[in-house]
Order: sequence, then C-alpha cells, then structure tokens
Amino acid sequence: NAGVTQTPKFQVLKTGQSMTLQCAQDMNHEYMSWYRQDPGMGLRLIHYSVGAGITDQGEVPNGYNVSRSTTEDFPLRLLSAAPSQTSVYFCASSYSPGYQNTEAFFGQGTRLTVV
Amino acid sequence: SQELEQSPQSLIVQEGKNLTINCTSSKTLYGLYWYKQKYGEGLIFLMMLQKGGEEKSHEKITAKLDEKKQQSSLHITASQPSHAGIYLCGAVANAGGTSYGKLTFGQGTILTVHP
Repeated sequence: NAGVTQTPKFQVLKTGQSMTLQCAQDMNHEYMSWYRQDPGMGLRLIHYSVGAGITDQGEVPNGYNVSRSTTEDFPLRLLSAAPSQTSVYFCASSYSPGYQNTEAFFGQGTRLTVV
Repeated sequence: SQELEQSPQSLIVQEGKNLTINCTSSKTLYGLYWYKQKYGEGLIFLMMLQKGGEEKSHEKITAKLDEKKQQSSLHITASQPSHAGIYLCGAVANAGGTSYGKLTFGQGTILTVHP
C-alpha cells in the first residue's frame, strides 16, 4: 500500500517557468489537499478537493491551479513560477476530515526552489 | 477562515522535563489533529480529538481538547531527545457545507530537547 505519493521530491525552476507537482493516493480517499510549508509559518492550505470534480481555494491559492479528474490524483500547477513560491509542498488525503480517528495522510513533500 | 494559534513558537527543554504545547482557535474545532515532523521529513500522525473534554495518550504524549472545543494542549512527560521536532496542530473548519474537508494548521512549535 503506497499511501500518498508525491513527485518530484526536489525541483529547481527558473522564474516564469511552469510545472506540475504530482500527487497520487491509493486509499480511495475523497479528500485531498495541497499545503506549502515555510519557516515559522506551519502548513498553509493552498487548495483542497472534497471529491472528483470538486475543488476549492485554501488560505494561499494565488499562483496555483488544481484539478481533480479522478479520485486518485490531485496535481498542483504553477503557471508562472516566482521566487516567493520557493517552499516545501505537501499533499494530503483522508476519508472525511473531522470524523473520529480519521487520519490525514501526508506525502513526503516536494522541495521547490525558484531562482 | 479559521486561525489556529500555537504557543509557544519554540521550546527548549532539558531531557526528562515535562512540557506543554497549546493550540487555540477563535472558532469551534471540528476535529483537532496533532502531528509531529522531523526536520526535512514528512508528517507523523500523533492523534486526533473530536469530542469536548476528550483526552488521548500515546506513550508519553497526552493531548486534550477542552469542553468548549476551542483549545487543545499537547503534554509530553519526561521528554527525550527523540521527542525533538516540529509539532503541528490542525483542525477542520466546519462540520458541513463546501468547507468540509478544509483542514488548516497552526504555525507549529519547534521543540528542542537537550540530553
């Protein structure tokens, strides 16, 4: 059971380039989310999805796009990378956040540097 | 949006000492998560609390959710160097509607344990 798989683990981009961070889960979870982690800022929610075809913005959505065409995949797109998007990105999935004993599973993270 | 405030932001203790980390919200918490993160690594699920007054323990770590469900504390007894890391509290914003599944986090508490 792979859990939540993020690719790539590391990436360096030039300002203005675009790229897609991949996230896949094999647990048939409805809920998937993307976070960024910066020093002293904890995890900040970028976008989240409550099921295939349904996405919504989190706390810091600007500069990022998402789509959810399947239950398994939730890619995060950077359309025009900026140095301010240098961060560590985490993808998470769960059944129903807030229900008892429902753990949110996290990927291992993608360390992105924009130069 | 729901804001979660963690305190303290950082904590340095001597091995064997007890410590407490707090997580406070201005809104009612529907599901409170505690995670631990080693530097440069992914997130490790510690426990989840849902009911007011609920308390859970795992090894030397105990977490409580107050009766009003607006504050949680994480207590570590007889700390060890292995407890060092970043502790993050997360919570679900609402119990229903389109925001369900919106799991947001506090800014984290950095714990250092000196041997």
